Amino acid sequence: AQKVTQAQTEISVVEKEDVTLDCVYETRDTTYYLFWYKQPPSGELVFLIRRNSFDEQNEISGRYSWNFQKSTSSFNFTITASQVVDSAVYFCALLPNYGGSQGNLIFGKGTKLSVKP
Amino acid sequence: GAVVSQHPSRVICKSGTSVKIECRSLDFQATTMFWYRQFPKKSLMLMATSNEGSKATYEQGVEKDKFLINHASLTLSTLTVTSAHPEDSSFYICSVRLAAYEQYFGPGTRLTVT
Repeated sequence: AQKVTQAQTEISVVEKEDVTLDCVYETRDTTYYLFWYKQPPSGELVFLIRRNSFDEQNEISGRYSWNFQKSTSSFNFTITASQVVDSAVYFCALLPNYGGSQGNLIFGKGTKLSVKP
Repeated sequence: GAVVSQHPSRVICKSGTSVKIECRSLDFQATTMFWYRQFPKKSLMLMATSNEGSKATYEQGVEKDKFLINHASLTLSTLTVTSAHPEDSSFYICSVRLAAYEQYFGPGTRLTVT
């Protein structure tokens, strides 16, 4: 089965706290892509990162960092020193079998992050 | 800048009427566009894949006659919700895939059926 699980439905933190959003995926494919998207209250999905299955190198972009571990099928997202503007729903997504017949994006249920001042 | 636009951003219609939502790929030609539906506080659900010049491919459980999709050009796909009912009220999002791993989303259209 192809599946993305975001076990945290809602997280609330106080500004400047660090927060990690969990994402666990399931796929039979050896090649695939993983994504994180941010959906602010306006509704538009904002692309944050894409990672292919052969690249387990962690990535840092400003206050954002991602930890991809194939051994545990996880692709967690950490926001350091959170800010109120980080408040949004965050979706993790899986794109299976990109090299052959392309699959469709499979989204997790999302994690709603609320950052309070 | 934005890659995908949607129009309208919000629409309110009466039950029984039809409403058309447009999705445009602004800077790229897109042979494939996707239509998603999102209920409040829920994830995105793929409704259909829109293929330029051919019939759309609908996901299981999505009514083809209710949600008409037309992909008449490489930059425009339309979703028409026919004979809308209150349960069709939702957030509709289109997406453009430019490569195997590059998918961009429109800003969404909030449909309210009264």
